[in-house]
Amino acid sequence: DTGVSQNPRHKITKRGQNVTFRCDPISEHNRLYWYRQTLGQGPEFLTYFQNEAQLEKSRLLSDRFSAERPKGSFSTLEIQRTEQGDSAMYLCASSLASTGVAGNTIYFGEGSWLTVV
Amino acid sequence: GQNIDQPTEMTATEGAIVQINCTYQTSGFNGLFWYQQHAGEAPTFLSYNVLDGLEEKGRFSSFLSRSKGYSYLLLKELQMKDSASYLCAVRSSYSGAGSYQLTFGKGTKLSVIP
Repeated sequence: DTGVSQNPRHKITKRGQNVTFRCDPISEHNRLYWYRQTLGQGPEFLTYFQNEAQLEKSRLLSDRFSAERPKGSFSTLEIQRTEQGDSAMYLCASSLASTGVAGNTIYFGEGSWLTVV
Repeated sequence: GQNIDQPTEMTATEGAIVQINCTYQTSGFNGLFWYQQHAGEAPTFLSYNVLDGLEEKGRFSSFLSRSKGYSYLLLKELQMKDSASYLCAVRSSYSGAGSYQLTFGKGTKLSVIP
């Protein structure tokens, strides 16, 4: 098990371009989360999937943001018409669908850094 | 809404004990988490409390008081590698259902000095 994998790790894009990030969760984890983190802040929740179903979305997830998890395994986060304010680290995380500590231990990936110029 | 407060920075000496406090206000409560994050790296899970009391795991302990909206993370026998940001996060509940989103504080940057 190699943990939560994200790519690309770094992306520099021009304002107005579209970007897509991919996340591969830990293989047996059916819960998957996307967060965004800027310098000096804690991560902010964006969205949550259980298997292929997107069950929660933050108000931070504007119409320019879309996330998918088509087969309940990997997930993609697309940002359309990027703005400078989108510059941040985008973190993917996963966990087991169970109770107690096992179900509440959320494992984060290394993150994908986005810089919009 | 939810609000989580923790000190911005702390400094402690190698070998000592440090306590990082976290206070929260939330419309519903369904667990409190502590994460460690080294600069430029992903947050790493440290602890989870849902009932009042102390949870101990090696050099790290976490305490929760739900009535006071208060938690602390206790680090013993500090090592240089413990220099990192420590994030407090709360999971809320609503309408009797559980939410899976975590609301994080801004983190406490701990510097361990020789």
